[in-house]
Amino acid sequence: NAGVTQTPKFRILKIGQSMTLQCTQDMNHNYMYWYRQDPGMGLKLIYYSVGAGITDKGEVPNGYNVSRSTTEDFPLRLELAAPSQTSVYFCASSRDFSETQYFGPGTRLLVL
Amino acid sequence: KQEVTQIPAALSVPEGENLVLNCSFTDSAIYNLQWFRQDPGKGLTSLLLIQSSQREQTSGRLNASLDKSSGRSTLYIAASQPGDSATYLCAVAGNTPLVFGKGTRLSVIA
Repeated sequence: NAGVTQTPKFRILKIGQSMTLQCTQDMNHNYMYWYRQDPGMGLKLIYYSVGAGITDKGEVPNGYNVSRSTTEDFPLRLELAAPSQTSVYFCASSRDFSETQYFGPGTRLLVL
Repeated sequence: KQEVTQIPAALSVPEGENLVLNCSFTDSAIYNLQWFRQDPGKGLTSLLLIQSSQREQTSGRLNASLDKSSGRSTLYIAASQPGDSATYLCAVAGNTPLVFGKGTRLSVIA
């Protein structure tokens, strides 16, 4: 099992550009999550999904969009990138809400 | 709103010492509490998960306790090794998915 994979590993964006961060899991987990981590801070939840076709906002959803058309994939879309979106983005998945979350290696995004 | 606090923010100990990392949370209505390890530039690795009905969990040299009524958890690391150097994050799941603390950065000096 590859677990949770994320692409790209690193990206530089110009202000106003858009991009999609990819996340795929091969554990057949229902729950998937997107977090961002700023330096010296814990992780903050952006969006999460409880299954294909079902998504919900987390603590910091503004400036992001998600979709979940399959169990395996949970892409995160950044529209009109801003410097405040410079961060490390982590995708995670779990079988159930109350069970262990498994994390991907992260995508480092720099918006200039 | 759930808030998670970890103390200390950083800790440096000599190899072989036993140590305790602390985590506190403001809302005791939780489903579980998880401890994660994060190495520099890497993702998070789950260490221990304690369900709200449990008091502790053990894995090798790690022992995590949970006192839900007082809103506290501790992670005990026995006989620390340089390979334990990392950031340790505590997170609680309640009415929303995981809420994280800022972590404790641990350095174990050989």
